[in-house]
Amino acid sequence: QKEVEQDPGPLSVPEGAIVSLNCTYSNSAFQYFMWYRQYSRKGPELLMYTYSSGNKEDGRFTAQVDKSSKYISLFIRDSQPSDSATYLCAMSEGGRRALTFGSGTRLQVQP
Amino acid sequence: DAMVIQNPRYQVTQFGKPVTLSCSQTLNHNVMYWYQQKSSQAPKLLFHYYDKDFNNEADTPDNFQSRRPNTSFCFLDIRSPGLGDAAMYLCATSPEFGIYYEQYFGPGTRLTVT
Repeated sequence: QKEVEQDPGPLSVPEGAIVSLNCTYSNSAFQYFMWYRQYSRKGPELLMYTYSSGNKEDGRFTAQVDKSSKYISLFIRDSQPSDSATYLCAMSEGGRRALTFGSGTRLQVQP
Repeated sequence: DAMVIQNPRYQVTQFGKPVTLSCSQTLNHNVMYWYQQKSSQAPKLLFHYYDKDFNNEADTPDNFQSRRPNTSFCFLDIRSPGLGDAAMYLCATSPEFGIYYEQYFGPGTRLTVT
């Protein structure tokens, strides 16, 4: 079993839709949760960063962490064609520990 | 603009022929990372440098080596590439090691092994 599971998609939605992207994980020691966006032929870029459980909002993006269920989500409101990319979740136990990435969900927003 | 640059963007090498990928950064960050990302898979950390201190992940094959001659540059050497080493290789930097600091990724080098 992988430490971090993420549905590969592709997830195809119409412009303006609310998108929900999710990851599950098995390591209960993870405390830090991140979402990266990776456009085709580009490196990942950090979108959101959350510590422990709870919600965090940044513009059209909301990150949710439920540590009791070992489940994290990224919501995108009013999705745009420019949001079409692969979204990678990443997690860490903290301190000087490396990130563990999910394999990414490919999102396509249709105009 | 401060950035992470990787060269070349695409590299084709023959089975068993050594290849070197390069990464440079203008961010003056202490930490540089090399990741391997295969198609539809998660990036896998190969190793990282904290300044000149080299840190190898336990499962990184001996076939992969790295050099960091100065703060700005880091190289990934694959001594005898196999077909299984075909992947995207991502370089990243951060001011310190740890999740507290955002990692800045380069665009990657796509390696093909023939």
